[in-house]
Amino acid sequence: ELKVEQNPLFLSMQEGKNYTIYCNYSTTSDRLYWYRQDPGKSLESLFVLLSNGAVKQEGRLMASLDTKARLSTLHITAAVHDLSATYFCAVDRNSGNTPLVFGKGTRLSVIA
Amino acid sequence: GAVVSQHPSWVICKSGTSVKIECRSLDFQATTMFWYRQFPKQSLMLMATSNEGSKATYEQGVEKDKFLINHASLTLSTLTVTSAHPEDSSFYICSARDPRGMNTEAFFGQGTRLTVV
Repeated sequence: ELKVEQNPLFLSMQEGKNYTIYCNYSTTSDRLYWYRQDPGKSLESLFVLLSNGAVKQEGRLMASLDTKARLSTLHITAAVHDLSATYFCAVDRNSGNTPLVFGKGTRLSVIA
Repeated sequence: GAVVSQHPSWVICKSGTSVKIECRSLDFQATTMFWYRQFPKQSLMLMATSNEGSKATYEQGVEKDKFLINHASLTLSTLTVTSAHPEDSSFYICSARDPRGMNTEAFFGQGTRLTVV
C-alpha cells in the first residue's frame, strides 16, 4: 500500500523564523506535489516536482525532491502570518492519468 | 483562472434526499476525473475514479449505490449522493488532469461543502 507521511502534522512558528516540513513516501514515483489549503477552500497548487533533485522556489517557500531517499521538503523562510494554512504533499498512485495519494497535511500557524 | 469547475460550492439538504454535484473541465477534455472526500481537519481521501463512457471505479469501502457517478461527456462528471444522511456531510472535491500537459499536474475544483440536516 502506498504511504505518504508528513511531519510535523502541526506546526506553530513565530513570524520571521524558518522551518521545514518533511514528506516521505513509499512509492518509486519521481513526481511529487505540494498544495496549500486555506480553511473552507479547495487546494491551491504550490509546486510540482518532476525529477530527482528538483528544487523550486516561490516567495518564502522552497520545495525539493530526493527520489532516492523518497523524501521531499518544503522549507519556509522568514515566516509571515499569511502563510498560515494546511500544506499537503501528494504523489501519483500509479503512472499516467492517475489519482493522487495525499499525506495527512501539516497545519501551520504563524504567530506574531 | 480555474480549469476545473465544481458546482455547487455548498449545499444543505434534508436527510433522505439526494444531492448532485457537478465537475467540469473547462478547457480540456478529461476522460478520467477523480472524486475525493475530506472530513474536517483530515486529508483528502479518494472515493472513486470517474471514467468517461464507462463505469466508475470505486475505492474500497465506498458504496457505489450511495455515491452515483456519471461521466457522460469528456468535460463533465457528476457525483450524486443518494439518500443522504448526516454522516455524509463532508467536503467533496473533484480533480482532473490535462492530457495536453502529459498528465503532470492535477487540477482541483473549488469543492462542495455538503451539510445534511
